[in-house]
Amino acid sequence: DIQMTQSPPSLSASLGDKVTITCQASQNINKYIAWYQQKPGKAPRLLIRYTSTLESGTPSRFSGSGSGRDYSFSISNVESEDIASYYCLQYVNLRTFGGGTKLELK
Amino acid sequence: QVQLKESGPGLVQPSQTLSLTCTVSGFSLTSNSVHWVRQPPGKGLEWMGGIWGDGSTDYNSALKSRLSISRDTSKSQVFLKMNSLQTDDTAIYFCTRSAYWGQGVMVTVSS
Repeated sequence: DIQMTQSPPSLSASLGDKVTITCQASQNINKYIAWYQQKPGKAPRLLIRYTSTLESGTPSRFSGSGSGRDYSFSISNVESEDIASYYCLQYVNLRTFGGGTKLELK
Repeated sequence: QVQLKESGPGLVQPSQTLSLTCTVSGFSLTSNSVHWVRQPPGKGLEWMGGIWGDGSTDYNSALKSRLSISRDTSKSQVFLKMNSLQTDDTAIYFCTRSAYWGQGVMVTVSS
């Protein structure tokens, strides 16, 4: 199975900051990576698919990039509503989630 | 609109079998895949397995020996069965179709 190494596990940011989360796959995943946001007590919400394609309703302050094994997810100008956990997911071969990143306010 | 809803017992005894149902609406199971994902309390998401539009299935290798996913297209339902449950199988179990998720069902494994 493909492994996804996500970092950092936690992140502290001030409102208006830019934050970046990375995921490294154990093999080339050909850009088949999605990013989810999850708030406590809620199901995950799909934000980005195929590395950088924003889902309908995803604010433009969210972005994704990468290729091969290495991918990143960024939030520019962090807002209070962005406080949540974030997960990457590879879907080139079966499915594997990254370990998650908890974004907190500084 | 697309909806998924999980149902099943909230409490299962150790060594017993978990049976969950995901009832879907707003789309066809014959042309979409549905997956099961679980999340232990305070921990991350784990993909368990899925069933594709053609009825074929794939499983997480760590769970493959204990897990079975099937469906009834006439009832728009997808089923999960997992045997030999242990306390570390305690989790919220979700069914999902990519961007669409059920609300999840909490399953506690305890005697």
